[in-house]
Amino acid sequence: AQTVTQSQPEMSVQEAETVTLSCTYDTSESDYYLFWYKQPPSRQMILVIRQEAYKQQNATENRFSVNFQKAAKSFSLKISDSQLGDAAMYFCAYRRETGTASKLTFGTGTRLQVTL
Amino acid sequence: GAVVSQHPSRVICKSGTSVKIECRSLDFQATTMFWYRQFPKQSLMLMATSNEGSKATYEQGVEKDKFLINHASLTLSTLTVTSAHPEDSSFYICSAPTGMGPNSPLHFGNGTRLTVT
Repeated sequence: AQTVTQSQPEMSVQEAETVTLSCTYDTSESDYYLFWYKQPPSRQMILVIRQEAYKQQNATENRFSVNFQKAAKSFSLKISDSQLGDAAMYFCAYRRETGTASKLTFGTGTRLQVTL
Repeated sequence: GAVVSQHPSRVICKSGTSVKIECRSLDFQATTMFWYRQFPKQSLMLMATSNEGSKATYEQGVEKDKFLINHASLTLSTLTVTSAHPEDSSFYICSAPTGMGPNSPLHFGNGTRLTVT
């Protein structure tokens, strides 16, 4: 079974600074997808960024980028120029690549606090 | 964009009663829906996979007789918590892929906060 580990329960960053959230995963498969989701106090799950395992190039979405190390099974999220609105729970997630749409397996989450 | 509507957003019920939560795909058909439970300050844990026209697939440790799932149409899945107890109090979230393929985006409902008194 796949597992996703986030070793940082809480992180804090000053506004405009950069922060990196860590994620490691365990799988025996070679093809899969990785995601970072944001969950603000509203509890709505918001997709931040996704990465296909077959792509060597790290995904980027505006201020958000990942460092995907497939051999190390590591998938960290970097948030640049942090904003107050970035404060939320962040979940790393894994999804198998199968013949049909499959479930997400989530990590335990990292609570990000953004300070002035 | 694709929208998943979940209702109700909050519900309070008495111990021993049953509660039904609905998850609707508003502008796409979903043959599969996923039901998650999230305890306070914890992660989302998959409870079951709802399959249109067939039985749901439950994760290990989830009581299928307690958490009844019905997926009678391509746009609606329901989760019924039967004989609810205070320990069932939690945040329940549904999710649905917009297509059949492994690359299909997953969309989440806004969740249901269940409180059992």
